[in-house]
Amino acid sequence: DAGVIQSPRHEVTEMGQEVTLRCKPISGHNSLFWYRQTMMRGLELLIYFNNNVPIDDSGMPEDRFSAKMPNASFSTLKIQPSEPRDSAVYFCASSLIGGPLDNNEQFFGPGTRLTVL
Amino acid sequence: GENVEQHPSTLSVQEGDSAVIKCTYSDSASNYFPWYKQELGKRPQLIIDIRSNVGEKKDQRIAVTLNKTAKHFSLHITETQPEDSAVYFCAAGYSTLTFGKGTMLLVSP
Repeated sequence: DAGVIQSPRHEVTEMGQEVTLRCKPISGHNSLFWYRQTMMRGLELLIYFNNNVPIDDSGMPEDRFSAKMPNASFSTLKIQPSEPRDSAVYFCASSLIGGPLDNNEQFFGPGTRLTVL
Repeated sequence: GENVEQHPSTLSVQEGDSAVIKCTYSDSASNYFPWYKQELGKRPQLIIDIRSNVGEKKDQRIAVTLNKTAKHFSLHITETQPEDSAVYFCAAGYSTLTFGKGTMLLVSP
């Protein structure tokens, strides 16, 4: 397995523009997480999906952020409109929760470094 | 919700010394406690984890201890090497994880 795949790896955009980050979880995993990492706030959970359903979105900063998971192999995180304070590294992670192979371990993707000018 | 405190924020040791990083958590329902290592510009990677039904776990030079009564857990690295230099994160939870703020470990040759 190629692991969790994220695209793009780097994104530079101007304030006010729409940004879409993409994630492909590990095949067979049923849970997907979006995190944001900054020096000031550390690693923050934005949203958690289980079986493609959003379970916990309490970490989503505001209405400018939205996330979808249309199927088990794809998720997007969208920021519209983007602001300079959204600059961060965004990680996607996946895991298998429940069932005989359940072990909770979250596998992280390589991240998307977002810079909003 | 869960709150995880991690100390120290930075730790400098000489090669061959031991390093200890400590974390406390607040939610007694948490039952999974992983530790991640993140090198500069890389993704966090799991190095060891422990569950609430176990008090200690060891894997070669790294070990983790858990005290559920006191709600704290620790990472121990023995015989440190320069390649152990990185940021280490503790986390607590179950399906979702709350991460500590990280410890930057610097191992000097």
